[in-house]
Amino acid sequence: EPEVTQTPSHQVTQMGQEVILRCVPISNHLYFYWYRQILGQKVEFLVSFYNNEISEKSEIFDDQFSVERPDGSNFTLKIRSTKLEDSAMYFCASTPDRDTQYFGPGTRLTVL
Amino acid sequence: RKEVEQDPGPFNVPEGATVAFNCTYSNSASQSFFWYRQDCRKEPKLLMSVYSSGNEDGRFTAQLNRASQYISLLIRDSKLSDSATYLCAVKVGRRALTFGSGTRLQVQP
Repeated sequence: EPEVTQTPSHQVTQMGQEVILRCVPISNHLYFYWYRQILGQKVEFLVSFYNNEISEKSEIFDDQFSVERPDGSNFTLKIRSTKLEDSAMYFCASTPDRDTQYFGPGTRLTVL
Repeated sequence: RKEVEQDPGPFNVPEGATVAFNCTYSNSASQSFFWYRQDCRKEPKLLMSVYSSGNEDGRFTAQLNRASQYISLLIRDSKLSDSATYLCAVKVGRRALTFGSGTRLQVQP
């Protein structure tokens, strides 16, 4: 069964550094999402992406964040200058139909 | 009022028990409803979509009550492996999912 994959599984970085989180959505899916989950809190939406552009973003997704689909398979989330409060699990999700979303295993980001 | 609310639990039940969770949502324009299961520090895994007519998948039954704006999940004959956090998620039109904080279930031998 096809799955969403994410790399790395764990990223440790210093405050102020840039990080890029990578996702490979399921191959025939057209809509892609990033969510985050701070430890002990709920899953929160960051951004959705369709047809090579952002279709929706939350208040969390400020100028420090950007997304890109650099080729036909990868979907990336970049955080330009990480803050302590960016420490969280970041989940990528994809869907073929803007309805049922399938999540990747997540990247745990630790900002020191 | 929170957009999606769930009782955090934990619900501690013996193996074989039947347990039910509710989830309320505030946006009456919500159109799609889902239950996800999340194990500790893992990704949410889709358990089932919730349809207006209700739906059943083995030991799991989901119901939607639009008038009262809640969805429910019933688990029959609980197994140890059902221990997890159950997340309710709703969607308005083509927007992204809004999750509840989850209800933790612990099934005990």
